[in-house]
Parts: sequence; C-alpha cells; structure tokens
Amino acid sequence: EVQLLESGGGLEQPGGSLRLSCAASGFTFRSHAMSWVRQAPGKGLEWVSSISGSGGSTYYADFVKGRFTISRDNSKNTLYLQMNSLRAEDTAVYYCAKSQDPTMVRGYVDHWGQGTLVTVSS
Amino acid sequence: DIQMTQSPSTLSASIGDRVTITCRVSQSISSWLAWYQQKPGKAPKLLIYKASTLESGVPSRFSGSGSGTEFTLTISSLQPDDFATYYCQQYNSYYTFGQGTKLEIK
Repeated sequence: EVQLLESGGGLEQPGGSLRLSCAASGFTFRSHAMSWVRQAPGKGLEWVSSISGSGGSTYYADFVKGRFTISRDNSKNTLYLQMNSLRAEDTAVYYCAKSQDPTMVRGYVDHWGQGTLVTVSS
Repeated sequence: DIQMTQSPSTLSASIGDRVTITCRVSQSISSWLAWYQQKPGKAPKLLIYKASTLESGVPSRFSGSGSGTEFTLTISSLQPDDFATYYCQQYNSYYTFGQGTKLEIK
C-alpha cells in the first residue's frame, strides 16, 4: 500500500524558513516523480514544485522560484521542500504527491499524502 | 502558462441525479487531464486520468470525456458519498488545477 507521510509544518514568522519532509513507502520511490501541491484555507489546489525520480530535474511554480527548493533522498525514500523567505500568502496545507511516471512528462498524481499545515504569521 | 476554467463552481443536486462538470483549458492538452475528488479535511483522490480512464476501484458511475480544450466529468446517478469538491488537472505541462466544483445536496 502506498503511504506518503508529511511532516515539518508549523507556525513560522514572515521571512522565516521551514523544511517539509515526506516519507514514502509501499512503492519503488526512485521510479516516480514527486511533487508538492498546496491548498490555502478554503481555497483550491495549487501546484508548487516537482522533481523527477532520479532527482536530476526540478520544476517550480513562478511564485516560489528562488525561495523554495525541492529535493529527494532516494536512499531514505524521502522528499523534501526547503521553504525560505516565507510570506503570509504561503499559508496552506502542503501535500506530498506521487506521480505514476518517473519524469514530469505527462505524469498525473495517483497518490496524495494527508498534508501538513504551514502557517506564516507574526 | 496553461489556464483552467472549471464550471460550475457550485452544483446543487439530489440523490440519483445525473450531473456534469466542465473543464475548459486555455490551450490544447490532448487527453492529458485528470479528475480528483476531495472531501473536507482530506487529501484529494484520483478518479479519472487521461481524460476518460477510470482509476482502479472508482465506481463506474463516474466517467470522463473530452480532448483538446474541453473536458467533462459525469456522475450518472449521484450517491450520498459523492457530495464533495471536484477538481480537474492538466498534466501536459507541469500541473494546473481548475478552481473546483463543490457538489452539494439539494
């Protein structure tokens, strides 16, 4: 059974940093691209960032470029999102999402974690 | 960037009704479209991928159609468990989601 367990969320001040983790199990982690998708309170889903199965290719939404960094450790079956220069508008539940494909070429999300809440407020 | 326009934003319907949700895309994405169901406080769940392929375990009352720039999700006979929010997502170029359709009990 595929399991994705996010951690690392919490309350942070504007300008601060957080590192999210997603522990994966139940599938061959290195064979699947992974993504972070967020959902602000009461709002819709918004793609944040993705990384290929090998970790060699990364992709970012414009609103996080230069502030967030996605990475993965295939030896630990873990996905990360380093979030710097946080803003109030980054407040959201952040979901870890698995693609059915090793690349970001025409790969849809087939499994989601339960999410971790990030709150940016002074 | 690819833009998604999902309609309606809210839909009121009764048990047994047939309902249709539409997703329009700003440029052709062939059939690279998925549909998800999300219930309050829960993660989204994949229903359909490649515009019309039903994910394993999803009831057959759900169906998807379309290609290019216009797509539909149809629920043939609403069941109590179907009242939720539905999102379309293109995966032709990165990911973009529709704004969501909240399906409410009439």
